[in-house]
Amino acid sequence: GENVEQHPSTLSVQEGDSAVIKCTYSDSASNYFPWYKQELGKGPQLIIDIRSNVGEKKDQRIAVTLNKTAKHFSLHITETQPEDSAVYFCAASGPKTGGSYIPTFGRGTSLIVHP
Amino acid sequence: DSGVTQTPKHLITATGQRVTLRCSPRSGDLSVYWYQQSLDQGLQFLIQYYNGEERAKGNILERFSAQQFPDLHSELNLSSLELGDSALYFCASSVALPNNEQFFGPGTRLTVL
Repeated sequence: GENVEQHPSTLSVQEGDSAVIKCTYSDSASNYFPWYKQELGKGPQLIIDIRSNVGEKKDQRIAVTLNKTAKHFSLHITETQPEDSAVYFCAASGPKTGGSYIPTFGRGTSLIVHP
Repeated sequence: DSGVTQTPKHLITATGQRVTLRCSPRSGDLSVYWYQQSLDQGLQFLIQYYNGEERAKGNILERFSAQQFPDLHSELNLSSLELGDSALYFCASSVALPNNEQFFGPGTRLTVL
């Protein structure tokens, strides 16, 4: 089955700095890569996703890149703000039997943005 | 607010007991997913239902079962509870297959004493 590795487990930055979180996956059939942000006491919230036919996607201060050959993808947050502090999860999924897309999640990165 | 609701928010019970967690998907979403989140295992997929039928199964214990009702809400039943079942249980929903975007509910925190 799919295996997703996520690094680092903790990332501490100063407000205004950039933050980068990296993930690798093992199953070459995976073709959808969402990123989730989980704040304390809440469920994961989809913040950006990328599909395997695209190498990069950007949404304001957040960008995601995908390298299919190397099987890795990254989340980039620029101009970090204290409200970006949360746990971020990457995931990888591809079509399974019956057409379901069941994501395999990384272990999460705790991002701390210091004012 | 994702539009997915889960009840109860917190649940405290004893070993050996049985509990039911409830999830209402976003309006229009046909697919419901259940996940378990614990500190040592991370976010683990348990089971998926689509329009009332089981569609995919993950690392779900035999003591656990789920169903999706005609109104599309879903229930996760956990029986013969053990201390190790203490975790956050999340429900997520998506529009339809093969749409991948999942929207998560706020979760139910289960504590087994």
